[in-house]
Amino acid sequence: EAEVAQSPRYKITEKSQAVAFWCDPISGHATLYWYRQILGQGPELLVQFQDESVVDDSQLPKDRFSAERLKGVDSTLKIQPAELGDSAMYLCASSLASGGPDTQYFGPGTRLTVL
Amino acid sequence: GNSVTQMEGPVTLSEEAFLTINCTYTATGYPSLFWYVQYPGEGLQLLLKATKADDKGSNKGFEATYRKETTSFHLEKGSVQVSDSAVYFCALSLGVSGGGADGLTFGKGTHLIIQP
Repeated sequence: EAEVAQSPRYKITEKSQAVAFWCDPISGHATLYWYRQILGQGPELLVQFQDESVVDDSQLPKDRFSAERLKGVDSTLKIQPAELGDSAMYLCASSLASGGPDTQYFGPGTRLTVL
Repeated sequence: GNSVTQMEGPVTLSEEAFLTINCTYTATGYPSLFWYVQYPGEGLQLLLKATKADDKGSNKGFEATYRKETTSFHLEKGSVQVSDSAVYFCALSLGVSGGGADGLTFGKGTHLIIQP
C-alpha cells in the first residue's frame, strides 16, 4: 500500500539553528499539505500545495518558515531560525485533488525538539 | 473563524461498552466533516467522513451523522474493543469542488482507553 514518506523521523536542534523536513507524497497525488501538531493538540495547517503552486499559506509564519514543492512532487519545509516554541510534530499529508472532500493521507511525521 | 470542539479525554471504558465522543463545529460555510484516528505508534488515518447534512459516515463499526441543525458530528460505536484504544480527532474542511484551499481544521483529540 502506498504511503506518504517523511524524513527525518526525529530531529533535535538548538534554537537559532536551521532545520529542514522532507516529504514524498503518494505517487499521483497533486495536493500536498504540511501540518504542525503541538503535543496534546490537533494538527494545524501550515501550507497547502496544488502541484507546485501554493494554495494556502495563511497560517505559515513566513518570517521563519518556508516551504517549497519545486517539481510538484516532493516537498521541503524549512525553519530558520528555530525557536523553542517550534518543538512539535510536523506532519505531511497528500490527496489526489483539492477542493473536494478527498481523503488526506498522512505520513508518520517528523518530531522536532528545539533545545 | 472555523473551529472544532470535542470532548476532553481521556475516556476510559470497559470492553463491549457503548461509545460516544461528542464533536461540535463552527464554520463560515458548509463544511465536510471527518473523524481521524491515531493508533499508538502510527500516523493519522481517516476513520469516516460525511459531506452533507444528514449523511452518515461509517467504518469498522463506528458511525457519525452530520447534523447541520445542531452543528454536530458525534462518533458512536455499539461495542468497543481493546483494539479501539487510540486518539480520535474530529475535523472539518471547507473545500469545494473545483479546486482551492481545503485544509483540515482539527479538534484537540480525545484519547480513548478500552480496558479488558
